Amino acid sequence: DGGITQSPKYLFRKEGQNVTLSCEQNLNHDAMYWYRQDPGQGLRLIYYSQIVNDFQKGDIAEGYSVSREKKESFPLTVTSAQKNPTAFYLCASTLGLISGELFFGEGSRLTVL
Amino acid sequence: AQTVTQSQPEMSVQEAETVTLSCTYDTSENNYYLFWYKQPPSRQMILVIRQEAYKQQNATENRFSVNFQKAAKSFSLKISDSQLGDTAMYFCAFILLTGGTSYGKLTFGQGTILTVHP
Repeated sequence: DGGITQSPKYLFRKEGQNVTLSCEQNLNHDAMYWYRQDPGQGLRLIYYSQIVNDFQKGDIAEGYSVSREKKESFPLTVTSAQKNPTAFYLCASTLGLISGELFFGEGSRLTVL
Repeated sequence: AQTVTQSQPEMSVQEAETVTLSCTYDTSENNYYLFWYKQPPSRQMILVIRQEAYKQQNATENRFSVNFQKAAKSFSLKISDSQLGDTAMYFCAFILLTGGTSYGKLTFGQGTILTVHP
């Protein structure tokens, strides 16, 4: 079945460690997004990519990095520079802006110990 | 920059009744889409309904309908005949379809937790 797969679902990290969250889609979508979800703050955009080998910072990019080497994949690295990394991370993709509809993965819960 | 505001952190409704969730947004542009997304306790976000700004007719999807007031920049969601499965967090969202720093970026509101009681 087509969809977006995020892994791992749960991840624990010690302070000072980098961690990479995986996002893979087989929907042949051009654009992919990473959002962070915190209680009471809704979803905030970290990074997005509208085409392979290109990506733009969202509203809260500091402490995060991404790559888009393949159309299907958009991994997110949470670096040690991110001061408050404990959160729920959602990956999404869309075919294009004509529909505007985002398809979401099931999310990854990162906890910093 | 575009902003989306949901002023109701939590709402509750009895099964089979109707509930309306509020959303306001701020933009100086004319070409955009508005959305309501649902995030049930299982966490996977799904699209409920979409409204194109150029359309005057309010969008409807089965029990879900919107009241789109473009001049007032208001976009409320009405759920009729509420069901237990409607229990979820609901997000209002906005995407700009023309140039500018917000092009291609979906902006979400803070979310409203809806609980449907039996």
